Amino acid sequence: EDQVTQSPEALRLQEGESSSLNCSYTVSGLRGLFWYRQDPGKGPEFLFTLYSAGEEKEKERLKATLTKKESFLHITAPKPEDSATYLCAVFSGGYNKLIFGAGTRLAVHP
Amino acid sequence: GAVVSQHPSWVICKSGTSVKIECRSLDFQATTMFWYRQFPKQSLMLMATSNEGSKATYEQGVEKDKFLINHASLTLSTLTVTSAHPEDSSFYICSAAGGRHNEQFFGPGTRLTVL
Repeated sequence: EDQVTQSPEALRLQEGESSSLNCSYTVSGLRGLFWYRQDPGKGPEFLFTLYSAGEEKEKERLKATLTKKESFLHITAPKPEDSATYLCAVFSGGYNKLIFGAGTRLAVHP
Repeated sequence: GAVVSQHPSWVICKSGTSVKIECRSLDFQATTMFWYRQFPKQSLMLMATSNEGSKATYEQGVEKDKFLINHASLTLSTLTVTSAHPEDSSFYICSAAGGRHNEQFFGPGTRLTVL
């Protein structure tokens, strides 16, 4: 069964303290791994798509990487405005839909 | 680019009434749109996949007669919650598939409260 597991469930960082969020997946026929950011009471905001192991993408303080079993979202020198829930999802070719993880709630304190 | 809107952003209704939520892709055409439901502090749960001009595909456990989906054009899909009850209160989010790699872009969500 296709599955996405994110860890940790919640993460508290001091401003400037770099860290990584993990997304482990098992999927039949991966057709893309997606990272989204979601603020409270809003829809998810698209961040990255990764398609093959070894691929990396960057956007400001965020960098996403992909292996055959997991993806990492690295946050370098985070700021309070980076506080949000980060969602990982895989597009399952077997089920033709996005499978979401439960998310990581990130809080960055000044 | 890749902007998806939803209307209304929030709605409060009485039990037994029906509520319609609109989802529009503003700057691209989307042959496929998706409807999700999200409970507090939980992740998104796919309710149905909507293809333009054809019947929606519902996920297991989602009542198709209760959650009516219409995808009449390449930029508009609607979700109607019929005979709403308090347990239908939730955050409903739509997405539209577009972009070079068919990424899903999400709307801002609609908060439904049924009294």
